[in-house]
Amino acid sequence: QKEVEQNSGPLSVPEGAIASLNCTYSDRGSQSFFWYRQYSGKSPELIMSIYSNGDKEDGRFTAQLNKASQYVSLLIRDSQPSDSATYLCAVKGTNAGKSTFGDGTTLTVKP
Amino acid sequence: DGGITQSPKYLFRKEGQNVTLSCEQNLNHDAMYWYRQDPGQGLRLIYYSQIVNDFQKGDIAEGYSVSREKKESFPLTVTSAQKNPTAFYLCASSDAGNEQFFGPGTRLTVL
Repeated sequence: QKEVEQNSGPLSVPEGAIASLNCTYSDRGSQSFFWYRQYSGKSPELIMSIYSNGDKEDGRFTAQLNKASQYVSLLIRDSQPSDSATYLCAVKGTNAGKSTFGDGTTLTVKP
Repeated sequence: DGGITQSPKYLFRKEGQNVTLSCEQNLNHDAMYWYRQDPGQGLRLIYYSQIVNDFQKGDIAEGYSVSREKKESFPLTVTSAQKNPTAFYLCASSDAGNEQFFGPGTRLTVL
């Protein structure tokens, strides 16, 4: 079992729809969770971080964390073609010095 | 401007050659990281450093070496022992191992 698993893509949604990206992790002691966006050929950029159970909203983005289920998700409302990218989930485990990244889910938003 | 710089942007290596990738940050972050990304894949951790003059192996350290003589610099050497080094190399830094901020990356190609 991988330490961090993301739902296999690619994911395609129409413009204006809600895109849902999911991530599960194996280290029950994990405390910090991050979502990064990576455009093709570019480096990842941080879009959301979440540390406690529940929802965290930032504009069109909502991160959801459920530590009991070891599950973190990212919702993108009113998806735009500019949201088309690969989304990486990262989890900072009990080894506080590093995070583990999932393989990413590629999202395509069709006009 | 605060940020992370990587150089060169593109690098070509001949068989049996060692090459060094540069990574500099002026964010005053203690921790720095090197990742490798192959096409269509996630990020794999090569080495990381939480403090000057100390570093730890990541998941794929064989064939690579690093140094951390200064807080702002974390160069990566790809040695001739790395048999398949063609990849996109990403450097990142973070404060206390939390959110990571990435440089623009170096694309290494073996001729």
